[in-house]
Amino acid sequence: DAGVIQSPRHEVTEMGQEVTLRCKPISGHDYLFWYRQTMMRGLELLIYFNNNVPIDDSGMPEDRFSAKMPNASFSTLKIQPSEPRDSAVYFCASCRDTTRGQYFGPGTRLTVT
Amino acid sequence: AQSVTQPDIHITVSEGASLELRCNYSYGATPYLFWYVQSPGQGLQLLLKYFSGDTLVQGIKGFEAEFKRSQSSFNLRKPSVHWSDAAEYFCAVARHSGGGADGLTFGKGTHLIIQP
Repeated sequence: DAGVIQSPRHEVTEMGQEVTLRCKPISGHDYLFWYRQTMMRGLELLIYFNNNVPIDDSGMPEDRFSAKMPNASFSTLKIQPSEPRDSAVYFCASCRDTTRGQYFGPGTRLTVT
Repeated sequence: AQSVTQPDIHITVSEGASLELRCNYSYGATPYLFWYVQSPGQGLQLLLKYFSGDTLVQGIKGFEAEFKRSQSSFNLRKPSVHWSDAAEYFCAVARHSGGGADGLTFGKGTHLIIQP
């Protein structure tokens, strides 16, 4: 099993640019989660999907952030336009049963200058 | 809304000594509880989980945790730490939702340092 795959691993962009983060969940996992980790705020849930349908997006910071899951094996988190305060590590996680815990990807470190 | 408190930002333990990391949660009912470990530059790895039944749960790498409802706590323990246990440890809680669990709410983490 390849685990949760995220790309890119590192992204450096300038303020105002569009950023797209990608995630491939573990095959057979119906749930997909996006988290953000910063020194100030720690780990925060942004949004999660069940069977490709967004269930809870209350953690999405603002309209600049959007997430999609067009099929069971792919999800994107887009920031447009990006701002320096968006700099963080973004994690994707997936699971088959939410009561059993989630499997995390290695994260994407985003730096917005 | 649920919340998680990890009172210790840093803990230093000698190799071979016992370890206890504290976690307190706030939630109206018994939540789903988890401990994760994060090594530098890595993602999070699930150590153990609790959602019902025996209040003492065993996890990977020799870790265990005990759920105490009266204290709203879910402390992580290990009888003898190894240098490879040095990492960041996160306690997390999830609400019940539609027969399963909601997304995770994390504590701020405890940084574990192992002294030789």
